[in-house]
Order: sequence, then C-alpha cells, then structure tokens
Amino acid sequence: DQQVKQNSPSLSVQEGRISILNCDYTNSMFDYFLWYKKYPAEGPTFLISISSIKDKNEDGRFTVFLNKSAKHLSLHIVPSQPGDSAVYFCAARGSNYKLTFGKGTLLTVNP
Amino acid sequence: NAGVTQTPKFQVLKTGQSMTLQCAQDMNHNSMYWYRQDPGMGLRLIYYSASEGTTDKGEVPNGYNVSRLNKREFSLRLESAAPSQTSVYFCASSVDRGNEQFFGPGTRLTVL
Repeated sequence: DQQVKQNSPSLSVQEGRISILNCDYTNSMFDYFLWYKKYPAEGPTFLISISSIKDKNEDGRFTVFLNKSAKHLSLHIVPSQPGDSAVYFCAARGSNYKLTFGKGTLLTVNP
Repeated sequence: NAGVTQTPKFQVLKTGQSMTLQCAQDMNHNSMYWYRQDPGMGLRLIYYSASEGTTDKGEVPNGYNVSRLNKREFSLRLESAAPSQTSVYFCASSVDRGNEQFFGPGTRLTVL
C-alpha cells in the first residue's frame, strides 16, 4: 500500500516556464512534508518542507503548497532552469517520525 | 565539513558473501538511517538509529543488520548477500528523528 504517490514518472518543461510536481498521500497522520532533489550518482538533497499547519512555504524559486483536505501537495519551480533537471522525491513524516518517500518524478528542463 | 560519507562507492559480491557498508557523519546529528533505492521505487527505509545506542527496523529489514558504533558512525551488514539485495544504498542523518535528513552519496551494490 503506497502511502505517498507521485503519479507522474516524468515531466518536461521549457526553460523559464513553471514546473509543477505533484504528490498525493493517504495517511492523514502525516504532519510534515519534504521535497528532495536527486541528481544521477548523487544522494538526495533536501529542497523545501512544509508543516501540516501551513498551506504554503516559499524559498526563492521554490514554493510548496499543501491542500490537507485533498491530501495533496505540489512543488512549484519558477522560473525553471536547466540545472533543475533531476529526480524530485516527495516525502511525508508519520507519527513514528519516519519518512515515507514517493517513487519520484524525473524533471527535464529544456533550454 | 564532509557531511555524510559512505564507503565503498561500488561493490560487487557473489551470492552468499558478506560485507559491511560504512557510514559516517560529522554534523553531530543524533539520528541516522539506511535506505535502499531500486529502479522505479522510492527510497525504502531498512534500519534507523534515533540516537546513539538505539536501532530499529524500517520497512525492509530482512537480510540486514546494523550497528550504531558511536554518534558518528552507523554501519549496515549483509551477512549472506542475495541477488535481491542488488541496489543503491544511501545513508542519511538528521539532527533528531523527524527532522530533514542529509544523505550520503550512496553505495552501488551488485550481487551476482
């Protein structure tokens, strides 16, 4: 049973446009959500997070939106740059403090 | 400040061989984790250590053992490797359990 779902395996956008990566979850006990970025042959790096008591968190070009009633979060990247091309993982923290990761979305930003 | 380091970077084993993956962090973090990543899958937690002296099973612990040697080091041992354990292994650490985790570069393990 997959508790964190990233239904789009891949996404392709043009440089300068907005990238929107989506994540759905099923466990209403998740209280903290994180996005990680991963380049090939490297470990994931933390990008941005949001607490379940908020609906938006912004950090430079990256904004995460949380819709608790829909159990949905999204990561917006504006403007997208070729260096943003990577796999993006959504993760959620449960009551046991462990993180559950989605399968990832491969973002390709075309020059 | 190296962050999280892992050794080795690559390893090829034969079925039945044993090995230990090493992980160390220099950020004075309390919690450490071992994950595996397989093609088309997310990161799956094998074992974690919430603090020095404690270890707990994650989602996929079978076939693995861990040792939290001290606050800095957390090792993962495969006693009798199987082809199903072919994967990329990531170690991570966090200030405390539940905080954002910082990952090492990974160990690519192939079991023939």
